[in-house]
Amino acid sequence: KAGVTQTPRYLIKTRGQQVTLSCSPISGHRSVSWYQQTPGQGLQFLFEYFSETQRNKGNFPGRFSGRQFSNSRSEMNVSTLELGDSALYLCASSFFGGGRKLFFGSGTQLSVL
Amino acid sequence: DQQVKQNSPSLSVQEGRISILNCDYTNSMFDYFLWYKKYPAEGPTFLISISSIKDKNEDGRFTVFLNKSAKHLSLHIVPSQPGDSAVYFCAASGEGGQFYFGTGTSLTVIP
Repeated sequence: KAGVTQTPRYLIKTRGQQVTLSCSPISGHRSVSWYQQTPGQGLQFLFEYFSETQRNKGNFPGRFSGRQFSNSRSEMNVSTLELGDSALYLCASSFFGGGRKLFFGSGTQLSVL
Repeated sequence: DQQVKQNSPSLSVQEGRISILNCDYTNSMFDYFLWYKKYPAEGPTFLISISSIKDKNEDGRFTVFLNKSAKHLSLHIVPSQPGDSAVYFCAASGEGGQFYFGTGTSLTVIP
């Protein structure tokens, strides 16, 4: 079974731009969560989608948004990028919403200049 | 508000000795706890988990201990190997299903 696939692996953007990250979950997994990892901050929860509906949302500004498609693939969008958005963005999937184990992709490393 | 805390950012251990990584949580509604291991440029991989109805779970060299009254869990690695050098994250979840992660502990196993 293929793992969680995130594209692209690396991105360089400038302040004010917007970016879209993509995540394909493990086949059969219907829940997708997004996390931001920065040094010293651990993994900060962004949001979770299950069956195309946002189930949970973390404490991030509205510039961060996401969606999930009928095939469970998910995208995350960040608009009006700020320098502080530079981070590793991780996607994780689980079998169903609230599933008790997350499977992570390798992440997208976003650098905002 | 950090509901899951790992107060030791780093830990160094000699090969063959025991590594003990600690994690504290504040929410008494958490009922499931996990440890993940992360290498640079890779996503975290699941290591071991424990339900709140247990106080210990073992898997090979890895053992997780849960002390509910102290809201504390620990991961023991015995014996430690150089390949165990990585960042370890503890995580907790409750009925709502959302996972809360600690800030990670970087383990270095010295050959």
